[in-house]
Amino acid sequence: AIQLTQSPSSLSTTVGGRVTITCRASQGITNDLAWYQQKPGKAPKLLIYAASTLQSGVPSRFSGGGSGTDFTLTISSLQPEDFATYYCLQDYSYPRTFGQGTKVEI
Amino acid sequence: EVQVVESGGGLVQPGGSLRLSCAASGFSLSSYWMHWVRQVPGRGLMWLSNINGDGSSTTYADSVKGRFTISRDNAKNTLYLQMNSLRAEDTAVYHCVRDLDYSDASGHHFDAFDIWGQGTMVTVSS
Repeated sequence: AIQLTQSPSSLSTTVGGRVTITCRASQGITNDLAWYQQKPGKAPKLLIYAASTLQSGVPSRFSGGGSGTDFTLTISSLQPEDFATYYCLQDYSYPRTFGQGTKVEI
Repeated sequence: EVQVVESGGGLVQPGGSLRLSCAASGFSLSSYWMHWVRQVPGRGLMWLSNINGDGSSTTYADSVKGRFTISRDNAKNTLYLQMNSLRAEDTAVYHCVRDLDYSDASGHHFDAFDIWGQGTMVTVSS
């Protein structure tokens, strides 16, 4: 199975700050990667798919990039509602696998 | 409103069985691939299984293959997960998820889980 390693596992920042989360795949996955946001007690929410395509309704401060083995999720100016845990997910092959998550805290 | 709502979770003894249901509303289930994803409270996400629109194609994670069966009844707009031979490590919240079914210009399909249910809790314990 393809392993996804996110870094950092957690980070502390302030409102207005710029955040970059990295997801590294154990083998090349072209651009078959999505990003999800999860808040406590809530189901995950789709942010980005196909590595860089922004889901409808998601603010433009979120962006995704990368291909092959290295991917990034960037939040350009963190808002209070963005404090959450973020997961990457590969759909290059079965079984689908998630990264371990990155918690973004104040 | 487009949504999916899971039901059927509960407490079951090791070795027991449960059938989860996922009722879809606001869209036609038959038009979408669907998935099950689980999450141990406080832990990460794990993909379990998926099924295509007409139910002819299914895939499973190794840890549940042979024990879990995904199915659908498009006439009832409902997705199912039959879980047998349950183990303590199956304890988790189980989410039903819709796949957006996005394909790029070359026809390459990308998974994009756009609709998630709130989940149903399954506890396997004696």
